[in-house]
Amino acid sequence: EDQVTQSPEALRLQEGESSSLNCSYTVSGLRGLFWYRQDPGKGPEFLFTLYSAGEEKEKERLKATLTKKESFLHITAPKPEDSATYLCAVQKGSGGGADGLTFGKGTHLIIQP
Amino acid sequence: DAGVTQSPTHLIKTRGQHVTLRCSPISGHKSVSWYQQVLGQGPQFIFQYYEKEERGRGNFPDRFSARQFPNYSSELNVNALLLGDSALYLCASSISGNSGTQYFGPGTRLTVL
Repeated sequence: EDQVTQSPEALRLQEGESSSLNCSYTVSGLRGLFWYRQDPGKGPEFLFTLYSAGEEKEKERLKATLTKKESFLHITAPKPEDSATYLCAVQKGSGGGADGLTFGKGTHLIIQP
Repeated sequence: DAGVTQSPTHLIKTRGQHVTLRCSPISGHKSVSWYQQVLGQGPQFIFQYYEKEERGRGNFPDRFSARQFPNYSSELNVNALLLGDSALYLCASSISGNSGTQYFGPGTRLTVL
């Protein structure tokens, strides 16, 4: 059974205090790993797609990395506006198509001024 | 550019009723997926449609059904509503049904009383 586990469940940081969020996954035939940001009551906002181990992607203060078993979302010098829930999801491929995304429960990140 | 749109924004129903939720994908996207997100959890996959055909189904009862129209918009129908169906229902679109990033709409908040 596909599984995605995110840690920590919640994280409180001071503004400027860098940290990393973890996403461990178990899936057969990984097609892609996705990071989303979700604000309360809104739909997830796309951040990154990673396809193979060793791949890295960056956007502003965020950097996502991928290994064969886990992905990290590194946040450098965060600002209060980075406060949100960060979701990790995996997609597996089967035959000629791809399945729906399997999500973790998310990491609730709070950045204090 | 218009993103994924969903209607209605909020909906209140009573147990046993039926509900229809609507979604319009990003222009040029041919695949639509539906997810259910209960409070404190990550989204859970319900259906994926591509070119008007069902390509994937999650672990949901037959009370849940969906369809995709020739213009690639989609409807999610839920019959015989239960209290446990209260959730944020998310629609996501992607260019194809095989792989690639899914972009989410703002969601429909369904409350079942």
